[in-house]
Parts: sequence; structure tokens; C-alpha cells
Amino acid sequence: DIVMTQSPDSLAVSLGERATINCKSSQSVLFNSNNKHYLAWYQQKPGQPPKLLIYWASARESGVPDRFIGSGSGTDFTLTISSLQAEDVAVYYCQQYYNTPRTFGQGTKVEIK
Amino acid sequence: QVQLQESGPGLVKPSETLSLTCAVSGGSISGYYWSWIRQPPGKGLEWIGYIYYSGSTNYNPSLKSRVTISLDMSKNQFSLKLISVTAADTAVYYCARAKDGQLAPYKYWGQGTLVTVSS
Repeated sequence: DIVMTQSPDSLAVSLGERATINCKSSQSVLFNSNNKHYLAWYQQKPGQPPKLLIYWASARESGVPDRFIGSGSGTDFTLTISSLQAEDVAVYYCQQYYNTPRTFGQGTKVEIK
Repeated sequence: QVQLQESGPGLVKPSETLSLTCAVSGGSISGYYWSWIRQPPGKGLEWIGYIYYSGSTNYNPSLKSRVTISLDMSKNQFSLKLISVTAADTAVYYCARAKDGQLAPYKYWGQGTLVTVSS
């Protein structure tokens, strides 16, 4: 199984400031044939299912605000919220869809400082 | 817009079988992969497995001996059975569909249903 490890487990950021979440995969999730990283980011608010934010490591899902930015390559990836808003308080998960079993990071809880 | 809705008993006794159904509306089951994912209370997400509309399946090795996912094209729904449950199987169970294709992230999710395993 590909192990996905996120850091930190939680972080508190002031409104309008930047939040950065890291995700490391235990092996590459890059398909050389199409040069795409099979890595997604989700946002989950209490009592709701996860919501897809980013796929292919950096492609923003339709309707997702542009303050959510995915980056990274190889085995190291980052989700940046460029200017934290109150509605961004949530738990964020990375996930690999490179192979099965699909695996998720343990989650990072983002709060307002 | 594709919508998914889980249904099934919210309480299952230890050693019995957990059975859930996911009704798909706003689109056909044909052509897609349909998955189950679970989340124990206060914890992270665990992928259970998927079924392709053709009937082929792929399960998480950690659950493979206890899991069956099936589909009913006539009712546009798919189902999960998990046998010999224990308290460790207590979780919110989500059904989900990937964005497109087999190797794709999960765009469509049901609201989730909490299943508690307890006597």
C-alpha cells in the first residue's frame, strides 16, 4: 500500500494569512506515460462528506476558489490556502489514486488563530 | 448532477452482517466505477473497494475476506456487504463515484450513513 503522511496534524492560522499543508507519499504517484501525479486534496467540514478541491496534484476542481493551490511533485505535495477565510475551517485530506488500495492521509485540521 | 444516497440499518450486532445500499440519481451506473469508503468517528478515511458497471470488483486487502460489493443496474444502485462485523467496523459509510475513469479522484459522495456495531 502507498502510505500518505500529512503534516502538521493541525494548524491555526489568522484570517487572511496563509495556511500550508504537506503530504508525502511512500512511493511516487507519477505516471510517466502522461506525466501526471495521481494525487488529490479534499476538504471535509463537520457532518459533511469530503469535497474534492484539487486533482492531478495542482488542478483546481470547478467552483473551488483560487485561494486553494496545489503543488508538488514526486512524493512531496502541498496544499496552500493563500488567504484563510472563516469558511475554510475544516479537515483536509490528501489521497492517491495511482493504485489500489486507494489511500488517504490522516488529515490536517485547520482552525482560526 | 449525480447524487448518491446511502441507506441501511444504523445498528448491527457483533458477528452479524452489515448491509448498505447506495441509490444513484441524476445519472446512470453504466460506464463508471462505484466505491465505498468509511470513516470511524473522529478518524480518517478508509477505502473499502469499488465495483465497475461491468461487475468487476477491487477490494482493500485489509477487508477483502469480509467484503462484497454488488450492483443492480435495473435499480441504478449498488450495495455493500461486510460480514462478521466487530466494534472496529463502526463508522460513517460513504458511497462515492470517481470523477471519470478508473484512476480518478472522488468527485461525487453520498452524505454518509453511520453504522454502529453493538449488542
